[in-house]
Amino acid sequence: EAQVTQNPRYLITVTGKKLTVTCSQNMNHEYMSWYRQDPGLGLRQIYYSMNVEVTDKGDVPEGYKVSRKEKRNFPLILESPSPNQTSLYFCASSLDRGGEKLFFGSGTQLSVL
Amino acid sequence: GQNIDQPTEMTATEGAIVQINCTYQTSGFNGLFWYQQHAGEAPTFLSYNVLDGLEEKGRFSSFLSRSKGYSYLLLKELQMKDSASYLCAAAPDTGGFKTIFGAGTRLFVKA
Repeated sequence: EAQVTQNPRYLITVTGKKLTVTCSQNMNHEYMSWYRQDPGLGLRQIYYSMNVEVTDKGDVPEGYKVSRKEKRNFPLILESPSPNQTSLYFCASSLDRGGEKLFFGSGTQLSVL
Repeated sequence: GQNIDQPTEMTATEGAIVQINCTYQTSGFNGLFWYQQHAGEAPTFLSYNVLDGLEEKGRFSSFLSRSKGYSYLLLKELQMKDSASYLCAAAPDTGGFKTIFGAGTRLFVKA
């Protein structure tokens, strides 16, 4: 089954404790991206990747890191989480062609205390 | 700048028709997407328009006017399960990497 697998589904942590949210897709998609979703603000792009070893900043990259060492995986790293990073996070992937829809992971609800 | 506007909330009655509007301003344009998102779940693809006109897909239809920077999603024969947020998204460039999302319209379907 074609899917984007994102873990964990829920995460509660404390300020400053490094964490990683994993994302993996099995569709051989070139493009992968991370979004955060906050009430009233919609989905905002954090980072994206066009292919292995090719990543770039989205609209809200501060406080986040990503890596793309394999085509299928695109982890999101928070080196020192802060309470303003409490949000619902989604990983997404698509083929790198115009008009290609995004496939989303099931989301990670992160709370930073 | 780049901006997508859609109403925050709408309420409609089961069995009725509802139209959710979206206006967009982007630097370049490669199509307009609509996604459905139930509370606490991931967005799922509904439709994609790149040419002007109406695209019909079952109970859902989507319209695009490129010259006006305007789109709408039309939901017919509303069902309770259609209660969800509907996200308008514009693709300013080829590929998905610069897709810009509106804040979403929360639709409440009442009996």
